[in-house]
Formats: sequence, C-alpha cells, structure tokens
Amino acid sequence: AQSVTQPDIHITVSEGASLELRCNYSYGATPYLFWYVQSPGQGLQLLLKYFSGDTLVQGIKGFEAEFKRSQSSFNLRKPSVHWSDAAEYFCAVGGSGTYKYIFGTGTRLKVLA
Amino acid sequence: EAGVTQSPTHLIKTRGQQATLRCSPISGHTSVYWYQQALGLGLQFLLWYDEGEERNRGNFPPRFSGRQFPNYSSELNVNALELEDSALYLCASSLGNSNQPQHFGDGTRLSIL
Repeated sequence: AQSVTQPDIHITVSEGASLELRCNYSYGATPYLFWYVQSPGQGLQLLLKYFSGDTLVQGIKGFEAEFKRSQSSFNLRKPSVHWSDAAEYFCAVGGSGTYKYIFGTGTRLKVLA
Repeated sequence: EAGVTQSPTHLIKTRGQQATLRCSPISGHTSVYWYQQALGLGLQFLLWYDEGEERNRGNFPPRFSGRQFPNYSSELNVNALELEDSALYLCASSLGNSNQPQHFGDGTRLSIL
C-alpha cells in the first residue's frame, strides 16, 4: 500500500541546535518527494522537492533533505534552527502518470529560546 | 504572480446548512486539490480536479462534492453540515499530475455552530 510515515508527532529543539525530521514512504511508482511547512493559520509552503539526480537537495530557509532509496526515506535537516522555524512540517510523495499524492501526518516543531 | 486564493476566509454555519467554498488556482495550473484539516487529524485529502474532471476522491461521504470550472477555478460544496465538519479547508493547485509540487492557499475556516 502507498503511504507516508512521519514517526515523530512532536519535536522540541533549542534555538541554534541541529534538526532532523524523519519521513519514510511506500510508493509503487517512481517517487517524487516533497517537504512542506505550515505556520499557524496558514496554508502549506513548499520547502523542497526531489525528482531525480543528486540525492541531497537544498531548499528554502536553509533546509535540505536526503533521499535514501535503500531506506525508503527522505529526511529533512537544518544545521541550526531559528525560533521562526517553529511550525508543522509535512512530507509528501507523488508519482509520474498517477493521480495519487500522499501527505504524511505532520511533525510539529517547537523551538526553545 | 498571484498565488492560490480562497474565499471566504471564514464561514460560520449551523448544523444542516450547506456551505460553498471557492478557490482560484495559480494562472496556468490545471489541477485543483481540496483538503480538510481538522484539529488533531492532520491533512485529509478530499478531492482532486484536473481539466474539469474529478480525478481522485478521498474517504469522505457524498455530501462533500465539488466541481472545476472552465477557467480552472473550483468550488467545494458541503451539504447537511455536521459539527465535525468544522475545520480549515485548504485548496492547492499544480500543473497537473502528481509529480508536481502543490501550491496552497491560506484556507477557509469553516465553523459549525
């Protein structure tokens, strides 16, 4: 079955600390992978996407993600978290030639000053 | 370039009434998606329209319906409103096909009294 799993519902980090948000997927077709961020009361904003090529992709706001096919993972990272990064983060997977686009359940990030 | 716009921003209804939510996609985007985001339930996929046709539907009852117009804008209709329909309804658009990133509006907050 096609699915996206974000194992961590909540994560708390101190400002300036590094961050890694986990995402695992199961998708029958070639996966196209995305990370989105949602600030309170707003819609989702695309952080980055992976289609093919270099498995380490850079996104906006200093985020990066690494695609690991052997682990079916697409984890999001940031070397140094800022207080403004507090938000909810969603991983999503889609595929070429299909009408299936699946979101994970989200990880809520809290940043301590 | 204008982003995805949704109207109204807030909508207050009572049980049994009908609600209509509207979405205008980014110019050139042919696909429109609807999601329900209820408190504590994450992002739930409702409907996917592309080129005027319904392409995919989430696990929601038939009283959730919609359509896409020739200019690619879309309406979501919810009939016989129930208290649990209270949620943020998000619309997104893309270039079509599930290998494209989705661009989100800020949502319509539907409150059922």
